[in-house]
Amino acid sequence: DIQMTQSPSTLSASVGDRVTITCRASQSISTWLAWYQQKPGKAPNLLIYKASSLQRGVPSRFSGGGSGTEFTLTISSLQPDDFATYYCQQYHTYPYTFGQGTNLEI
Amino acid sequence: QVQLQQWGAGLLKPSETLSLTCAVYGGSFSDYYWSWIRQPPGRGLEWIGEINDSGRTTYNPSLKSRVTISADTSKNHFSLNLNSVTASDTAVYYCVRGYCTDGVCSPLEPFHIWGQGTVVTVSS
Repeated sequence: DIQMTQSPSTLSASVGDRVTITCRASQSISTWLAWYQQKPGKAPNLLIYKASSLQRGVPSRFSGGGSGTEFTLTISSLQPDDFATYYCQQYHTYPYTFGQGTNLEI
Repeated sequence: QVQLQQWGAGLLKPSETLSLTCAVYGGSFSDYYWSWIRQPPGRGLEWIGEINDSGRTTYNPSLKSRVTISADTSKNHFSLNLNSVTASDTAVYYCVRGYCTDGVCSPLEPFHIWGQGTVVTVSS
């Protein structure tokens, strides 16, 4: 299985901050990477696919980058609604695998 | 707007079989890939397996020996059976529709539309 490792596990930030979350794959996955946001008690929500493509309806302050084994999710100016847990996921190879999550907290 | 509504037993004893069903409302079952994903309490996400409208299935090797995913296209729903459950199968289980990039639905796509989740607890 392809292992996905996110860092940091917890990120403390304030409204208006620019934050970046990193995701590393144990082998190259080209750009077959997605990012999700999950709030407590809710299902995850797709933010970005193919490493950098913004899902329809997702605010433009979210952006993704990277290829191969290293990827980033950046939020340019944190809003109160952005405090949540973020997961990366590879869809290059079965079985699909997720990072362990990054808890973005105030 | 497509919605997934799922249901099934929430409390099981060890060795029993977990059975969940997910119904698709407001959209077609055809062309898409349909998955089950679970999330143990306070932990990350684990993909269980998927099925398409032709009945083709792919399972996570870690669960393959215990999992069956099936579909009833006439009813627009698909189901998960996981046998011989243990406490480690305690989780929120989600049914999910795969994404179609540029309108093309293929295997190996991200996860787009999620059900509301079903809490399943395994306890004696």
